[in-house]
Amino acid sequence: GAGVSQSPSNKVTEKGKDVELRCDPISGHTALYWYRQSLGQGLEFLIYFQGNSAPDKSGLPSDRFSAERTGGSVSTLTIQRTQQEDSAVYLCASSTTPAGTGAYEQYFGPGTRLTVT
Amino acid sequence: GQNIDQPTEMTATEGAIVQINCTYQTSGFNGLFWYQQHAGEAPTFLSYNVLDGLEEKGRFSSFLSRSKGYSYLLLKELQMKDSASYLCAVRDHSGGSYIPTFGRGTSLIVHP
Repeated sequence: GAGVSQSPSNKVTEKGKDVELRCDPISGHTALYWYRQSLGQGLEFLIYFQGNSAPDKSGLPSDRFSAERTGGSVSTLTIQRTQQEDSAVYLCASSTTPAGTGAYEQYFGPGTRLTVT
Repeated sequence: GQNIDQPTEMTATEGAIVQINCTYQTSGFNGLFWYQQHAGEAPTFLSYNVLDGLEEKGRFSSFLSRSKGYSYLLLKELQMKDSASYLCAVRDHSGGSYIPTFGRGTSLIVHP
């Protein structure tokens, strides 16, 4: 079946502009995660959606970052007034509902490489 | 939150065995993952441990000791294609969410 897809694959934008990044999770996966990865760094958690529950926004670095998930499927990450330090690869992942001690491993999309000039 | 520590880089010879260590501190441990990430690609799932002991899957094995906050990934019969970054991730449940936190990754270089 289809994996996690993200668009665009690459985005170059000028400092101060807004950008929207899209994630299509695997069908039936209720959990959706956004991470970002800077060169040579690990994955930095941004936001987590689980079903109809309120999202966990504890990883968002500033109020310029927001995300929504419509219909429990597609998610959009929006960065307003982009800054050069926002340049990174933004990764989306989905999984089945995490509960108890099962694996519920994450399936990652190919990422969106954002470059702010 | 979690504090996850793993070596930055390791090198090994094709055909050899390598062990990548990961130590962590967390208040609500709910499982430890290893992912493989080739350069320019997305991470892919390798293994999961939630109970103490060794999980073997082909050439790869993963070990967990919860009391020591310690895990390792063991790669046997190394191949050139194993050159990649290996990410240790710990899932925590103390805040009510099941969110894996990732370490910085260990870049493994396999040479002939």
